[in-house]
Amino acid sequence: DSGVTQTPKHLITATGQRVTLRCSPRSGDLSVYWYQQSLDQGLQFLIQYYNGEERAKGNILERFSAQQFPDLHSELNLSSLELGDSALYFCASSVGGGGSPLHFGNGTRLTVT
Amino acid sequence: TQLLEQSPQFLSIQEGENLTVYCNSSSVFSSLQWYRQEPGEGPVLLVTVVTGGEVKKLKRLTFQFGDARKDSSLHITAAQPGDTGLYLCAGEDNTDKLIFGTGTRLQVFP
Repeated sequence: DSGVTQTPKHLITATGQRVTLRCSPRSGDLSVYWYQQSLDQGLQFLIQYYNGEERAKGNILERFSAQQFPDLHSELNLSSLELGDSALYFCASSVGGGGSPLHFGNGTRLTVT
Repeated sequence: TQLLEQSPQFLSIQEGENLTVYCNSSSVFSSLQWYRQEPGEGPVLLVTVVTGGEVKKLKRLTFQFGDARKDSSLHITAAQPGDTGLYLCAGEDNTDKLIFGTGTRLQVFP
């Protein structure tokens, strides 16, 4: 058990809809990361927060947004969903930023129909 | 953008065989991590290598960081079915982001 909790485990929704994925980091970790994993691609870095502030941004679409709250949990919002957004979305946390080892949750599997 | 290419992409072997997975880049990384991901779960950290030329052993797994810190390898001796999974290398890039490699999917048959 990594200590990182992601909800929901599965999400099935229609194109054009909006969903929110939630992540609770490991106790004591200040950094939260979001990654997208598609079947034919590796882990794509989306965004990183550190202690409530955005630290780094990857290939995150404008339709996607995220935030980290004062209690350090994070939410990833995906809107105007398209079929191609179907993927596994992972949250990870670490003590600091940089090259700190990441602790991953078990992901949210999003299916857009 | 710094890229990490892993090879092979897929590997299917019999129990007891040895194998090596490679992680290559044209860029220098300040550190490199290896993760293993099993179906339905998130990746789990196996090891972090920091120094060029560093070799770390974890039971039957041997990890090496290239002298120039641009590449790494993972060698598994006498593979077992429990080693089955997706192996991912990840490097800390020059903007302090952790960039993941393309992955190697290993299947070990009994």
